[in-house]
Amino acid sequence: GDSVTQMEGPVTLSEEAFLTINCTYTATGYPSLFWYVQYPGEGLQLLLKATKADDKGSNKGFEATYRKETTSFHLEKGSVQVSDSAVYFCALSKGAGFQKLVFGTGTRLLVSP
Amino acid sequence: NAGVTQTPKFQVLKTGQSMTLQCAQDMNHNSMYWYRQDPGMGLRLIYYSASEGTTDKGEVPNGYNVSRLNKREFSLRLESAAPSQTSVYFCASLYRAPQDTQYFGPGTRLTVL
Repeated sequence: GDSVTQMEGPVTLSEEAFLTINCTYTATGYPSLFWYVQYPGEGLQLLLKATKADDKGSNKGFEATYRKETTSFHLEKGSVQVSDSAVYFCALSKGAGFQKLVFGTGTRLLVSP
Repeated sequence: NAGVTQTPKFQVLKTGQSMTLQCAQDMNHNSMYWYRQDPGMGLRLIYYSASEGTTDKGEVPNGYNVSRLNKREFSLRLESAAPSQTSVYFCASLYRAPQDTQYFGPGTRLTVL
């Protein structure tokens, strides 16, 4: 079946460091890919998405490019802030009809001043 | 708009007790979901409702029932709670256009002793 694999956390960085969180997927067909963020004590929020190969999703300084050849959708940010500390989930969905998301296990990011 | 609301925020049950988790959305979305979040496992889909009057099983439906009461409300019922159902439960609703986006509630933290 379809699955999403994320790097283990926590990822610990200093403020202004470069961030990469790796995400790879296994799916037949052409899934849409997502990054969701969960701040402490809150529900998940959509951070960015890409719906076809070579698309780049971006939001709040975060970027991810849909790479079909490597089945990857790595999340990057050039300069992280303390306020970016959260858990990040990679997810996929398939089909043109009803959306059902398949989530990775999540990666916790801790940014220190 | 309140978005997606969930009640209660926290609940402690004894094994064998029953309870209903409530979810409501005020965004006029047709589709709603229930997920559970467990450490190291990401979010897993319990049940979903593609539209008012319909419900379907997700990945982990055993031990749960749902009711789509109307377009706004989608409840999750545990008839006889078990310790394995200790988890954080999230409700979500789906905004279809122009691009599918799920909006999540703040979650219910359930402990079964």
